Amino acid sequence: VQLVESGGGLVKPGGSLRLSCASSGFSFSGFNMNWVRQAPGKGLEWVSCISSSGTFKHYADSIKGRFTIARDNSKNSLSLQMNSLRAEDTAIYYCARDLGGSSPGSVDIWGQGTMVTVSS
Amino acid sequence: QLVLTQSPSASASLGASVKLTCILSSGHSNYDIAWHQQQPEKGPRYLMKINSDGSYTKGDGIPDRFSGSTSGAERYLTISSLQSEDEADYYCQTWGTGVVVFGGGTKLTVL
Repeated sequence: VQLVESGGGLVKPGGSLRLSCASSGFSFSGFNMNWVRQAPGKGLEWVSCISSSGTFKHYADSIKGRFTIARDNSKNSLSLQMNSLRAEDTAIYYCARDLGGSSPGSVDIWGQGTMVTVSS
Repeated sequence: QLVLTQSPSASASLGASVKLTCILSSGHSNYDIAWHQQQPEKGPRYLMKINSDGSYTKGDGIPDRFSGSTSGAERYLTISSLQSEDEADYYCQTWGTGVVVFGGGTKLTVL
């Protein structure tokens, strides 16, 4: 069971970035998926969750309207489109599987993370 | 509002036991939670899910030294026979309709 994130990098304030997460070792279409981030030296912050079918999407207030979560069950992949990026979005972004249903649940698998730096 | 409260730090001696606490906000005492461990410079790792009735389910490969329990709105993670590799940050996590919440984390130092 593995989750591998990619797409992180350095971007200017106001810019955009798209993160991806590739899954393997489990039936991707059967699980909710999340993005969780961690700013340097800080704790974990939930960003977004998408249900197994992609029908339900939930967002943290801090990123609502700027970030969009999506999934492609045919490719076992998850994405996060991040627009209007701010310095405070600088963080390691983790992809995470959860055991919930139409709503989020317990995270049980984590990726290794990808670093996003927003700076001029 | 759904909030999880954790003490910022804890310490215990090598070979001893330690009990970390996660407190659910008022009105949410019947929520389940999960515990996650984050060793220095590593990503988080799922340890267990604790139900409001006190039962818990551990992740694959989590040693027997790790256990969970419940009392009212408090959820506990107990680590016995502490080892040096247990020195890490520990986060509790809960969830509600359309939301996921993490506690602020407890930094555990093994003396």
